[in-house]
Amino acid sequence: AQTIHQWPVAEIKAVGSPLSLGCTIKGKSSPNLYWYWQATGGTLQQLFYSITVGQVESVVQLNLSASRPKDDQFILSTEKLLLSHSGFYLCAWSSTGRANERLFFGHGTKLSVL
Amino acid sequence: GEQVEQRPPHLSVREGDSAVITCTYTDPNSYYFFWYKQEPGASLQLLMKVFSSTEINEGQGFTVLLNKKDKRLSLNLTAAHPGDSAAYFCAVGRVNTGNYKYVFGAGTRLKVIA
Repeated sequence: AQTIHQWPVAEIKAVGSPLSLGCTIKGKSSPNLYWYWQATGGTLQQLFYSITVGQVESVVQLNLSASRPKDDQFILSTEKLLLSHSGFYLCAWSSTGRANERLFFGHGTKLSVL
Repeated sequence: GEQVEQRPPHLSVREGDSAVITCTYTDPNSYYFFWYKQEPGASLQLLMKVFSSTEINEGQGFTVLLNKKDKRLSLNLTAAHPGDSAAYFCAVGRVNTGNYKYVFGAGTRLKVIA
């Protein structure tokens, strides 16, 4: 069975400090990977997606960057946090193939920027 | 790009009543449709996937209807109970080469009163 693990579970960071969030998928080779951001009480905004190692596409620019250093790992980062970065960050994976297409989410990281 | 409108934003029903949530989308080429449930502070749980070739899907305690002509997707919780109280999101996507994006509705906060 596939599992998706996000770290850390929660972070409290100062404005202007750097950030790195991670996501690992086990049990699935070459998954499509996604980063989503959710403001408190809001909807989900897709930030990035990646279909292969080393290749990341940006959907929305929020002064964040993403990388995929390994097939099963997706990293979200920034060198300088803004107050507006606060929220819930969700990593997701999907399998390819029409009949099997699913979008599964990790448990998320709650980020508070003060 | 794809736009998804979800209604209503808030819904309060009595236990045993039905609750209907509707999403309308704009891209006629959308192919994947999902419904998710999110409990407070938690991640998203996949309730149901619908593909363009399927109009009605039934799950445990709910029915999903897809109307491609009207570009409308609906979730009908039959005989709601307090455990159904959560936020519900629809997601619409057209995943193919060069396009791996899922757009989410704004969410519906459902409260089931015992």
